[in-house]
Amino acid sequence: GAVVSQHPSWVICKSGTSVKIECRSLDFQATTMFWYRQFPKQSLMLMATSNEGSKATYEQGVEKDKFLINHASLTLSTLTVTSAHPEDSSFYICSARGGREQETQYFGPGTRLLVL
Amino acid sequence: KNQVEQSPQSLIILEGKNCTLQCNYTVSPFSNLRWYKQDTGRGPVSLTIMTFSENTKSNGRYTATLDADTKQSSLHITASQLSDSASYICVVIKAAGNKLTFGGGTRVLVKP
Repeated sequence: GAVVSQHPSWVICKSGTSVKIECRSLDFQATTMFWYRQFPKQSLMLMATSNEGSKATYEQGVEKDKFLINHASLTLSTLTVTSAHPEDSSFYICSARGGREQETQYFGPGTRLLVL
Repeated sequence: KNQVEQSPQSLIILEGKNCTLQCNYTVSPFSNLRWYKQDTGRGPVSLTIMTFSENTKSNGRYTATLDADTKQSSLHITASQLSDSASYICVVIKAAGNKLTFGGGTRVLVKP
């Protein structure tokens, strides 16, 4: 099956700093990428949807200036958490859709963010 | 109210035993339903994908059923193994737009 990678797998940062998370589709071209956030013992919550070369569409309640998404190519999307605060600590998961199975989303392994 | 409800929220089973997880949904119009396994600290991995016309689908020791009339699905785990300990998430995909709606998940713990 298709492979989606994320980097880093975990990150610890100080409050007020910005953190960038990368999401790559390794063996297919992802026309659409999705960013999710997951708090402990809860299910995934969609943050935003991005199509290559266009602005991301954010879900209600998600601050676009706080969570900057760049989908610069068909294999790479980045999520930047700007001026991170402890409440931004969470598990961030990306998924990608594209390739031969246009309707299937493939999930990355996730990035654990801890803001001190 | 969530459009995808899973039960139970968690369960503990002994290694080698079987278990069944339930998923009820109200998402409409329906495209397909997927069961994912999510290990702690990892992203979800697809187990089964079922469309409207499919009643059952197996993937090794995992068997999913779908009743599109009653909008219910189940995931049956046969002869559970310690590695089956994980969260199992039911996801319903809406037609026209392919929007995913996630259930809350069922946390399964398999004990030796």
